[in-house]
Amino acid sequence: KAGVTQTPRYLIKTRGQQVTLSCSPISGHRSVSWYQQTPGQGLQFLFEYFSETQRNKGNFPGRFSGRQFSNSRSEMNVSTLELGDSALYLCASSSESIRLAGSDTQYFGPGTRLTVL
Amino acid sequence: AQSVSQHNHHVILSEAASLELGCNYSYGGTVNLFWYVQYPGQHLQLLLKYFSGDPLVKGIKGFEAEFIKSKFSFNLRKPSVQWSDTAEYFCFRRRQLTFGSGTQLTVLP
Repeated sequence: KAGVTQTPRYLIKTRGQQVTLSCSPISGHRSVSWYQQTPGQGLQFLFEYFSETQRNKGNFPGRFSGRQFSNSRSEMNVSTLELGDSALYLCASSSESIRLAGSDTQYFGPGTRLTVL
Repeated sequence: AQSVSQHNHHVILSEAASLELGCNYSYGGTVNLFWYVQYPGQHLQLLLKYFSGDPLVKGIKGFEAEFIKSKFSFNLRKPSVQWSDTAEYFCFRRRQLTFGSGTQLTVLP
């Protein structure tokens, strides 16, 4: 099976712009999670989606949003970019069911490196 | 808040030395624990995981971890490290979607 894919791999934006990142999960996986990785804050949870519904949300401002489509692909959007949004954004997918929420393995993609100038 | 702690931020070892990286979790909630590794320039890869049952779990590349409920710990071990083990290691609490701060391991040849 192909792994989790993320596009684009690299992005350069300027402050105030918005950006959309895309994630395609492993075939058959219905759960997608997003994380932000920075040297200072480490890996921080952004959102979790299951069957097009946001199941969990991390402690990020409303400028960060996401969605999941019927084919399980997911996008996250960051509006009004700030310098501090520069980070590696990671997507992970898992095959869990609603009954076993939070009990399956997450497989990570390579990430999108966002640089905000 | 339920959290995961990794107290060793940077560990430097010589090849063939034994490794133990600490991971502690806070009390409460479901305890499903993972160790991931991130090699330079690569994505996070699963080393091993614990859900229930035998508290000693074995993973890939000779790594193992022991879940000790009384100590709220899930430490990662390897009896003999190699230069290729140089990477950053993360403990992860699955149900709470929380990572530890990571431990950078440098293995000197």
